[in-house]
Amino acid sequence: GAGVSQSPSNKVTEKGKDVELRCDPISGHTALYWYRQSLGQGLEFLIYFQGNSAPDKSGLPSDRFSAERTGGSVSTLTIQRTQQEDSAVYLCASSLGALAGTSEPQYFGPGTRLLVL
Amino acid sequence: DAKTTQPPSMDCAEGRAANLPCNHSTISGNEYVYWYRQIHSQGPQYIIHGLKNNETNEMASLIITEDRKSSTLILPHATLRDTAVYYCIVRADYKLSFGAGTTVTVRA
Repeated sequence: GAGVSQSPSNKVTEKGKDVELRCDPISGHTALYWYRQSLGQGLEFLIYFQGNSAPDKSGLPSDRFSAERTGGSVSTLTIQRTQQEDSAVYLCASSLGALAGTSEPQYFGPGTRLLVL
Repeated sequence: DAKTTQPPSMDCAEGRAANLPCNHSTISGNEYVYWYRQIHSQGPQYIIHGLKNNETNEMASLIITEDRKSSTLILPHATLRDTAVYYCIVRADYKLSFGAGTTVTVRA
């Protein structure tokens, strides 16, 4: 079946510009996650959506970062006034759910490689 | 989440089984063991997970020791396409974090 898709696959932008990254989760998955992976670094949690609950934004590095999930499906991660340190691979994942005590694995998309010049 | 320890690298011959160890001596009772891998320039790929019983799927087997302080991921017949970084993760909530993992190189 179709996996998680992300677009664009690559994005080059100039410092100070805004960018939007899109994620289409696996159909039927109620939980959606955004992560960031910098070159040579580990995985950094950014934000989590679960159904109609308020998102967990605790991982967003600054107020320049925001995300929304419309209709419980597609999600958009927006970075305003991009900085060079925002350059990274932005990964989206989805799972059937993430209620306490569940063990549903997260399935990742291919990522968006963002380069801020 | 409990900390995991994995060897930094290992080689494996194509067609042979690859056994990837992971130590998680501080694991708590409600934490699952997950394995992911990441092939160069691709997103992480889920492999398998378990709580205390051994698990098997079409990709791999997961052997968890009785005291749950360590586990082994087994790729039964490694192929060149299995060359990747393999991450062992122990978690109880939804925030995944990867350590350095084990870089597995499958050689022909």
